[in-house]
Formats: sequence, structure tokens, C-alpha cells
Amino acid sequence: GENVEQHPSTLSVQEGDSAVIKCTYSDSASNYFPWYKQELGKRPQLIIDIRSNVGEKKDQRIAVTLNKTAKHFSLHITETQPEDSAVYFCAASRSATNKLIFGTGTLLAVQP
Amino acid sequence: SAVISQKPSRDICQRGTSLTIQCQVDSQVTMMFWYRQQPGQSLTLIATANQGSEATYESGFVIDKFPISRPNLTFSTLTVSNMSPEDSSIYLCSAEWDSTEAFFGQGTRLTVV
Repeated sequence: GENVEQHPSTLSVQEGDSAVIKCTYSDSASNYFPWYKQELGKRPQLIIDIRSNVGEKKDQRIAVTLNKTAKHFSLHITETQPEDSAVYFCAASRSATNKLIFGTGTLLAVQP
Repeated sequence: SAVISQKPSRDICQRGTSLTIQCQVDSQVTMMFWYRQQPGQSLTLIATANQGSEATYESGFVIDKFPISRPNLTFSTLTVSNMSPEDSSIYLCSAEWDSTEAFFGQGTRLTVV
């Protein structure tokens, strides 16, 4: 079945450094790739997404890249701040079903 | 964006009983989903709630254990039946509009004792 792998499981960076989280998906029909941020005790919140007709998308300090051939996509956070500390989930879906398959999550800790 | 209200936000239940979780969206949506998130884990899709027909369940989840209703385009329920401590988890509903982003309810934290 569909599978999304996510690495690393934990990531600790110094404030101001960059953070990169990587995901690989198995379903070649996947065409939508969102990233969610989940703070402790809160619901997942969409922070950025990308569709398969685009290779890169940027929103201020956050960017996502997609390599369809290799079936992997990455989240890049620049100039990290303590408030970026949270668990980040990647996900993949295909338009026909819309159901999201989530990665295993990355706990990001930004040290002040 | 839209507002998704989920209730109860938390509950403590006796084993063998059932709990029904409600999910209300403030506008009509095409797709609604139910996820489970066990402590410290990722989100696992339980089923897609189809309006006017039976839900579509993922591998490992069955209708007898997790019956789902979706009577209209703004509302869905998930029942966790004959609960055991292994069902202790956070249950989240999600709604999606026109193949755009999915929004989540605030979740229901269930503890089975």
C-alpha cells in the first residue's frame, strides 16, 4: 500500500540555523504533498504544500522542494526561531482519493 | 478556510463501552476523514466518511469497531465501539474542499480504563 517515510525523527538546531526534513513516498500516482506543523496538544496546521506540477515553492522562511523522479520531497526552514519548535509531518495524496498518507513525523527543537 | 468543531474534546471511558465523536464543519465540504493519532505517533487514516453511502475503511479498521455516519455535507460521527485500553488515542476529523488543503478538528483525547 501507500507509504511515506520521513527523516530525521528528531532534529535539534541552533536558533538562526536552517532545518531540513526529508520525505519519500511510494505511490507514483501521488500528486499533492502538504506539510503540517503540530504543537503539543494542538491540531495539525498546514504550513505549506506543493503539487506535482511544481518543483519548488517558497513562503517566507519556509520552502518545499519536490523531485518526482526520485519520489521525494523536502521541507526547508531558514533562520529558525524557538517558536518553530514542534512536530512536523509530511503527507502525500492523489487527487482521486484525496486521503492523506502521513509520514512518521519529525520533532524539531530550536535551541535559543 | 473553515471552522471544524469536534466534540467531546476529551473523555475517559470504561472498557466495553462505546463513545461517539461528532465533527461539525461550518460550510459544506466534499470530503471528510477520520484519523487516529496514538501518543507520540503519526496520524493514521481510519476511514473516509462518504455522504449518503457507507464509509470507506483503511486496512486494519472495520465498520463494526468504528461505525461512521455522514448524514449531510457538514457533519460526521465516529463511534469507537466495545472499547479496550488499546483504543486510547487522539481521534481527529478532517475536511477538505475541492482538492485543496485539509483542515483538522481539535481532536478528541480518549482514555479507556
